[in-house]
Amino acid sequence: EDQVTQSPEALRLQEGESSSLNCSYTVSGLRGLFWYRQDPGKGPEFLFTLYSAGEEKEKERLKATLTKKESFLHITAPKPEDSATYLCAVSGGYQKVTFGIGTKLQVIP
Amino acid sequence: GAVVSQHPSRVICKSGTSVKIECRSLDFQATTMFWYRQFPKQSLMLMATSNEGSKATYEQGVEKDKFLINHASLTLSTLTVTSAHPEDSSFYICSALSGSGANVLTFGAGSRLTVL
Repeated sequence: EDQVTQSPEALRLQEGESSSLNCSYTVSGLRGLFWYRQDPGKGPEFLFTLYSAGEEKEKERLKATLTKKESFLHITAPKPEDSATYLCAVSGGYQKVTFGIGTKLQVIP
Repeated sequence: GAVVSQHPSRVICKSGTSVKIECRSLDFQATTMFWYRQFPKQSLMLMATSNEGSKATYEQGVEKDKFLINHASLTLSTLTVTSAHPEDSSFYICSALSGSGANVLTFGAGSRLTVL
């Protein structure tokens, strides 16, 4: 069974303090690893898809990387508006997507 | 980009009544849609996969008669919570595969159901 473990569960950063979120996964035949952002009371918003080890993608202050066992979401010089819960998910066979519990990020001005 | 519209965003109902939640793909066709349930501080839990023109595929432990799913067109899927009880109170989110190769899940904004 596919599994996704995210750490830490919660992270509090000062504005401008860079850090990384971790996503460890086990999946039978990785079709894709996804990162989403979720604001309170809203549906997840798509950020990135990574397909193979070594792949990297960037969007503004966010950079996602992928190895065979884990993915990192690096946040550079975060701003308060980056505060949200970041979800990691993997897609294995049969188009089934398994989500982690998420990392709740709070960026303090 | 792909947009999935979900409504209502919030619904409050009395115990024993039924509630319908709609999920629409606005600018693309979705042969497959997914319904998730999210509890506080827990992962998104896949409830069922909705296939246009055929019966939904339910995950283990999800009651088919309680959560009725209909996918009557390529742009609309509905989830009906029948005879709702307080334990059915939750955040329900639909999604659809979009993007080239249909490999990205686009989510609706979610529906907060409260059963009194």
